[in-house]
Amino acid sequence: DADVTQTPRNRITKTGKRIMLECSQTKGHDRMYWYRQDPGLGLRLIYYSFDVKDINKGEISDGYSVSRQAQAKFSLSLESAIPNQTALYFCATSEQTGNGYTFGSGTRLTVV
Amino acid sequence: AQKITQTQPGMFVQEKEAVTLDCTYDTSDPSYGLFWYKQPSSGEMIFLIYQGSYDQQNATEGRYSLNFQKARKSANLVISASQLGDSAMYFCAMSLWIGGGQLTFGSGTQLTVLP
Repeated sequence: DADVTQTPRNRITKTGKRIMLECSQTKGHDRMYWYRQDPGLGLRLIYYSFDVKDINKGEISDGYSVSRQAQAKFSLSLESAIPNQTALYFCATSEQTGNGYTFGSGTRLTVV
Repeated sequence: AQKITQTQPGMFVQEKEAVTLDCTYDTSDPSYGLFWYKQPSSGEMIFLIYQGSYDQQNATEGRYSLNFQKARKSANLVISASQLGDSAMYFCAMSLWIGGGQLTFGSGTQLTVLP
């Protein structure tokens, strides 16, 4: 099994629908992140969490919310999806020090 | 705020030759980490190499080396002996402090290796 698992891998949804992207990890890392990638661009940070009781907004948090249900689980929600939220979404985890980042395989979300 | 700049949207290299992908960064924090990731067409992010701001020597990982010039705030990736499988998008990224902080990414360089 992958160290960081994202579900679903692909999703097509309609404008206005609520959708949740899920991320679970077996790395034992406290720190978890959600990033978004648009075509031709690098990844941009949406939200991050350094422990279960810690939630922080990133660069592009508008239109998104997150929930850290447990150390191993970090979910991203789009309350009312819009077409410009069509993107590739990555979950990642990290250690407190060093270069121990681990990315999930990504979720391709299309909002029509 | 920190910033990563990759000025080469696309690069071509002949198979078996070396190639350098440029990356400059900007931060006022003295403690940071620099990363390079490879993203093939399948989309996953593959970690290549890491350099901490206090590391005295340039990082190397197999055919990958990071040319770290702290005074110039540059962290170029050198790929030696390019292979066809190296064709991919390459991202430079920085963490706010050495390890653990959120990553800031550059816009990427699309590398194509020619046979």
